[in-house]
Amino acid sequence: GAVVSQHPSWVICKSGTSVKIECRSLDFQATTMFWYRQFPKQSLMLMATSNEGSKATYEQGVEKDKFLINHASLTLSTLTVTSAHPEDSSFYICSARERGGPAYEQYFGPGTRLTVT
Amino acid sequence: AQKVTQAQTEISVVEKEDVTLDCVYETRDTTYYLFWYKQPPSGELVFLIRRNSFDEQNEISGRYSWNFQKSTSSFNFTITASQVVDSAVYFCALSEGPYSGGYQKVTFGTGTKLQVIP
Repeated sequence: GAVVSQHPSWVICKSGTSVKIECRSLDFQATTMFWYRQFPKQSLMLMATSNEGSKATYEQGVEKDKFLINHASLTLSTLTVTSAHPEDSSFYICSARERGGPAYEQYFGPGTRLTVT
Repeated sequence: AQKVTQAQTEISVVEKEDVTLDCVYETRDTTYYLFWYKQPPSGELVFLIRRNSFDEQNEISGRYSWNFQKSTSSFNFTITASQVVDSAVYFCALSEGPYSGGYQKVTFGTGTKLQVIP
């Protein structure tokens, strides 16, 4: 149980276009989802926290208008990178916290590798 | 603010050697959680262990063992008789406690890349 999927697993897009990444909890309801970004050979940096039905909370330094997060249901959160540029190329990982589950428990998705050309 | 320090950026060992990965953390919370994750080249994080701040018992799981010492704010990870399949990046992480008033965010260390040479 407690499986989180991400789609797509990798994507290549042209500079200036937008790309959407989906994060789904497959066998549980997720009240809270987290989005992380990981640059090559670096750590995971939290970008934002989203709760179902409410606006996401962004970490300092993360552009809200560039990284649009929508958590429309208890099983789906999406991250849209708008007007992508090569510096947005990164590995994006989501995690989900189960509704009613312990707060320390986060289930991570397999990640999405974004390359902007 | 929370902080996790993994001073070892890269470690290389010969297969069958023991290796210890260091982790030092900082937090003002009295209740918190510590984690270790493995990230193989595929990128997917593999959960290894979780420890809460009230449980200082060391843990052993097969070739893996963890040493948690609150007095030194350390949570070190030892692999005994390392194998090539252990080659990966290992992250130590710290989660805020339930009384932090926030979302109990997780802060990751910078990771230690372990290379086990056959």
